[in-house]
Amino acid sequence: AQSVAQPEDQVNVAEGNPLTVKCTYSVSGNPYLFWYVQYPNRGLQFLLKYITGDNLVKGSYGFEAEFNKSQTSFHLKKPSALVSDSALYFCAVRDSSASKIIFGSGTRLSIRP
Amino acid sequence: NAGVTQTPKFQVLKTGQSMTLQCAQDMNHNSMYWYRQDPGMGLRLIYYSASEGTTDKGEVPNGYNVSRLNKREFSLRLESAAPSQTSVYFCASSEEGIRFYEQYFGPGTRLTVT
Repeated sequence: AQSVAQPEDQVNVAEGNPLTVKCTYSVSGNPYLFWYVQYPNRGLQFLLKYITGDNLVKGSYGFEAEFNKSQTSFHLKKPSALVSDSALYFCAVRDSSASKIIFGSGTRLSIRP
Repeated sequence: NAGVTQTPKFQVLKTGQSMTLQCAQDMNHNSMYWYRQDPGMGLRLIYYSASEGTTDKGEVPNGYNVSRLNKREFSLRLESAAPSQTSVYFCASSEEGIRFYEQYFGPGTRLTVT
C-alpha cells in the first residue's frame, strides 16, 4: 500500500526567509513524487515532480524539492519566500507499479510581510 | 487550450436528488480522475479511468457512478444525494509515460446537499 504524510497543518514564514514544507511517503516499489499548490477557490496546480534521475528537482515559481530515499522524504523548499506563496500545498505519491496517486492532507503555508 | 473544464461550478441539491457532474479535457490524455476535497482530509479518489472504456474504483466510490463517455469526457453521477456528499469535487487528467504522470485539475464543483 502507498501512503503520504504531511506532518504540519500550517507553516508560517516571514517574507524573504527560506521555507520548507515537509513530506514523507511509503510505497512498496519505486516512488513517483509530486507537489501541487492550491490557491483559494481554485483547482490544484502542478509544481514539480520526481520520477527518476537527479534527487534535487526544480519547479515552478522558484520552488525545489529533494528526494531522499533513505529518509523516504520529499520536502518542498524555496530560498526566499514571497507573500504570494501563501497557499495550500499538497504532496502526492504514486508507486511505479500502480496507476493511482495518493495525496497528503495538505499544509497551509502563510508568508507574513 | 482550455485544459480541464468542469460544469457546473456550484450546485445545491436536496437529499435524495440526483445529478451529474461533467468533466472534459482537451489535452488528449488517456487517464482521468474524480476526487473530492473535504477540509483537513486532502483529496480522496472517487473513481478513475485509465483509458477510454475502462473505469475503476478509488478510495471512496460508494454513492457514486462514473461514465467515460469518450477520450475527452468523464462524468460523475450522484444517484441519490446525501448530506455526507457535500464537498468540492475535482476532475483531473494525466498522461502515462516516464516524462509525464502529473495531473492537471479542473476548477472544481462546489456541491451542497441539504
